Amino acid sequence: DTGVSQDPRHKITKRGQNVTFRCDPISEHNRLYWYRQTLGQGPEFLTYFQNEAQLEKSRLLSDRFSAERPKGSFSTLEIQRTEQGDSAMYLCASTDGPGGGSYNEQFFGPGTRLTVL
Amino acid sequence: SQQGEEDPQALSIQEGENATMNCSYKTSINNLQWYRQNSGRGLVHLILIRSNEREKHSGRLRVTLDTSKKSSSLLITASRAADTASYFCAKSQGGSEKLVFGKGMKLTVNP
Repeated sequence: DTGVSQDPRHKITKRGQNVTFRCDPISEHNRLYWYRQTLGQGPEFLTYFQNEAQLEKSRLLSDRFSAERPKGSFSTLEIQRTEQGDSAMYLCASTDGPGGGSYNEQFFGPGTRLTVL
Repeated sequence: SQQGEEDPQALSIQEGENATMNCSYKTSINNLQWYRQNSGRGLVHLILIRSNEREKHSGRLRVTLDTSKKSSSLLITASRAADTASYFCAKSQGGSEKLVFGKGMKLTVNP
């Protein structure tokens, strides 16, 4: 079963370091999403790609955050100069339904848990 | 800010009982989706109900939508210990691709 995969599953880093996460969507899904989830809260939208184009970004995505999806396949999310407030679960989702991703089920990966010390 | 708030925030029941979760929202929606999340894991999609639908079923799950009251409910019948998880409602609105999640409701089903 080739669902959405994310790597690494866990990341511990020191404040000020850069980290990069990878997401591999379900094959042939053209829409890919990043969300962030802090303890006791629901996921919050960060950004959205349709193929390789980044079409929507949340105000949560500060200039320390950058996401890419080269060639419209896997995606990376980089956080520069990490802060303790960046500690969270980073979730990736993909979909390929007609009418747009929010009109259809989004398939989520297992997430990358980031801890910034 | 998050919309799509679940109520109650926590619910503890015995196996075999029904569990009802409610979700309210503030602005008009395209659809409302329910997801389940086991502790520390990713989200699993349960049901999507569109704004022109009033009720949907999937196995032991029943979702209703009342757009006049801007609310939805998720009913889990004959609950099992394996249903223990956090449940989230998420709404889509306008032309945005994002889903807006509530804070979630933690369901505990005791064997």
